[in-house]
Amino acid sequence: EVQLVESGGGLVKPGGSLRLSCAASGFRFNRYSMNWVRQAPGKGLEWVSSINNSGSFIYYADSVKGRFTISRDNAENSLYLQMNSLRAEDTAVYYCARGYGSGSYFYDYWGQGTLVTVSS
Amino acid sequence: EIVLTQSPGTLSLSPGERATLSCRAGQSVSSSYLAWYQQKPGQAPRLLIYGASSRATGIPDRFSGSGSGTDFTLTISRLEPEDFAVYYCQQYGSSPWTFGQGTKVEIK
Repeated sequence: EVQLVESGGGLVKPGGSLRLSCAASGFRFNRYSMNWVRQAPGKGLEWVSSINNSGSFIYYADSVKGRFTISRDNAENSLYLQMNSLRAEDTAVYYCARGYGSGSYFYDYWGQGTLVTVSS
Repeated sequence: EIVLTQSPGTLSLSPGERATLSCRAGQSVSSSYLAWYQQKPGQAPRLLIYGASSRATGIPDRFSGSGSGTDFTLTISRLEPEDFAVYYCQQYGSSPWTFGQGTKVEIK
């Protein structure tokens, strides 16, 4: 059974940093692209960042470029999102999502999400 | 960036009725790289349709997708009680991958 479990969310002050993790199980992690998608309270879905199966291709939304860094550890079946210079508008539930294949960017499995709140 | 506009914002229907949801792109979506997701309150989204018309694993055949270019449609042939939710379209043909703002299907 495919499982994606996010962790690392919490309350952080504006300008602060946070590192999200996503532990994957139930599939060959190194064969799939992985992604972060967020959802602000009461709002729609927003793609944040993607990384292909080998880590050689990385993409960011303009809203987070230069502040967030996506990475993966295929040996540990884990995905990460380092978030720096956080702003109030980064407040959201952050979902880890598996891409449908090594370089495909729609999402067939999602974690339950971790809430990031940026507030003073 | 490809902007996706979903309509209507809210669809009020009764169980057993047919639901037709629209997703219009500001420019052509390459290779019909268009997906649909369902999201219920407090839950993660669930993939329904990819490639504009291919059903994801385990999705009932009352869900169907169609369209190409800039106009796409999700149809639910007969609404079941569990189908009342918010539906999002997403294009994955060109970065940045973008979502529509969502259509809420509510019980009339």
